[in-house]
Amino acid sequence: GAGVSQSPSNKVTEKGKDVELRCDPISGHTALYWYRQSLGQGLEFLIYFQGNSAPDKSGLPSDRFSAERTGGSVSTLTIQRTQQEDSAVYLCASSLGLTGTVNTGELFFGEGSRLTVL
Amino acid sequence: GEDVEQSLFLSVREGDSSVINCTYTDSSSTYLYWYKQEPGAGLQLLTYIFSNMDMKQDQRLTVLLNKKDKHLSLRIADTQTGDSAIYFCAETRYSSASKIIFGSGTRLSIRP
Repeated sequence: GAGVSQSPSNKVTEKGKDVELRCDPISGHTALYWYRQSLGQGLEFLIYFQGNSAPDKSGLPSDRFSAERTGGSVSTLTIQRTQQEDSAVYLCASSLGLTGTVNTGELFFGEGSRLTVL
Repeated sequence: GEDVEQSLFLSVREGDSSVINCTYTDSSSTYLYWYKQEPGAGLQLLTYIFSNMDMKQDQRLTVLLNKKDKHLSLRIADTQTGDSAIYFCAETRYSSASKIIFGSGTRLSIRP
């Protein structure tokens, strides 16, 4: 009965370095989201994967950010040339999506990856 | 475009009712949610409402939806210390292609 798993839980990096954050969603969930939560801020949408459709990348803040989802399961969020303003908790969530008449689209969140850029 | 707004803070006395408000801009929103984030924990779904409803009650929780004004509220009756958390409003259209957008969250604090 594993939930959404994210790694690393904490990452400290130097400005200018690249980082990769991993998300392992709940098995069978077709939808996968990445959000960013900065200190005192709400949840900022980054990117959304739904099945085999092209991802919705409309929330990515710059071209330094990218994400992929291999085989419809595990996802990796990559931040290149990190900046101090990238410091935040990066949350991944998965769901069954909004297909079907009984599915409410409930999101199941991981514990997040806390990124600190020095 | 989509936008969801909430006030950032709410302080209530233990035992009183808490009312957390949310406004959204997308008139096509069909599912609206309240998520709860307790200190040091992840977000969990608290309750949800379909856009064809105007009220939903679940034990101490009452959700009110005013579609005309695009206003959603969450009322917690008999607020307890365990209700201290950040409450996020979220919305989406009923579509497999539609993302779920969250508000900024309202931090609820309980005073004795």
